[in-house]
Amino acid sequence: GDSVTQMEGPVTLSEEAFLTINCTYTATGYPSLFWYVQYPGEGLQLLLKATKADDKGSNKGFEATYRKETTSFHLEKGSVQVSDSAVYFCALSGGNQFYFGTGTSLTVIP
Amino acid sequence: NAGVMQNPRHLVRRRGQEARLRCSPMKGHSHVYWYRQLPEEGLKFMVYLQKENIIDESGMPKERFSAEFPKEGPSILRIQQVVRGDSAAYFCASSARETGAADTQYFGPGTRLTVL
Repeated sequence: GDSVTQMEGPVTLSEEAFLTINCTYTATGYPSLFWYVQYPGEGLQLLLKATKADDKGSNKGFEATYRKETTSFHLEKGSVQVSDSAVYFCALSGGNQFYFGTGTSLTVIP
Repeated sequence: NAGVMQNPRHLVRRRGQEARLRCSPMKGHSHVYWYRQLPEEGLKFMVYLQKENIIDESGMPKERFSAEFPKEGPSILRIQQVVRGDSAAYFCASSARETGAADTQYFGPGTRLTVL
């Protein structure tokens, strides 16, 4: 069945460091792929999405490219800020539901 | 444009009581999804509903849990005779699948259920 495997955390980075959070997926068909961000005590907010192979989603300096050949959708940001501290979830749309990774906690220190 | 609304945000119940969680989708959305998030885990799908119809309940526990999305009013997730293991964050999401514009799901802030 469909599934998402996400890099385990927690991840701690200094401000302005480069961020990569790995995400790979298994799916039948051609799902859309998503990154969501969850701040403490809040719901999930859509960060970016890509709907087909080679699409690049981007938002707020974050970006991820839908790689069909490696079944990956890694999240990157060139220079993180303290305000980026949150939990990041990779997800794919499959049929009637979304499949989520277990989340990667990111802490950015000044 | 209001987002997905959920209430209550926090709910405390004693074992054996009933919990009712409410979700109002985004304006223009008629597809609602419920997910459960256990501590330190990702979200797990529970049920997908359209107005007056349950489309997919493959993630719902067979007993004590039910969901509805009436013609008027919010979607309700109902948990009867709660047990400590039901303590979790319950998230509702909505989408506008019928428009074809997006299969993106937009999430509410969640209801955090604590069973004493």
